[in-house]
Amino acid sequence: GAVVSQHPSRVICKSGTSVKIECRSLDFQATTMFWYRQFPKQSLMLMATSNEGSKATYEQGVEKDKFLINHASLTLSTLTVTSAHPEDSSFYICSAPPTGERGYTFGSGTRLTVV
Amino acid sequence: GENVEQHPSTLSVQEGDSAVIKCTYSDSASNYFPWYKQELGKRPQLIIDIRSNVGEKKDQRIAVTLNKTAKHFSLHITETQPEDSAVYFCPRRNQFYFGTGTSLTVIP
Repeated sequence: GAVVSQHPSRVICKSGTSVKIECRSLDFQATTMFWYRQFPKQSLMLMATSNEGSKATYEQGVEKDKFLINHASLTLSTLTVTSAHPEDSSFYICSAPPTGERGYTFGSGTRLTVV
Repeated sequence: GENVEQHPSTLSVQEGDSAVIKCTYSDSASNYFPWYKQELGKRPQLIIDIRSNVGEKKDQRIAVTLNKTAKHFSLHITETQPEDSAVYFCPRRNQFYFGTGTSLTVIP
């Protein structure tokens, strides 16, 4: 079945640095990728939608300059958290959208801790 | 867009008891109703789904029922076990928002 590989699974970084998270679709082409943020025991909050070959669409309240999203190819989407601060610490997860044949295909998630 | 409500937002049950989570929807054209389970720190996993031409579907301890007239579908977990503790979602296919989810805690 469809698989999305996400890495790193865990990252600890210092305040002020940037962190890049990658999501790759391994056996299918994903022209769209959703990026979510999640706090413990809370829902997935959609941050933005990346689109191959065009600019990402950000949800209201999400800082475009802080969360840089790039969809470089049909199999790779990246989220870069720039100038990270402790309040950016969270669980970030990507997902390819559902199609007629399958539901959401999630990456394994990235636990970001900013110290 | 379609309005989806999920209840309850949190649920605690004793091990062995049953748990029921309900989602209501507004779009009469909806024809696919999935349930996802997300354990802490892991990705959501599809655990069961149902299409609008079926009223109930069961898979061992998990079942989903659909009431098209009332526009709601429910997740039923019987003989709950601690490993059922997770957040459960009922996302809509044509929306990419997951709503509040239900945090289920099974107390040993």
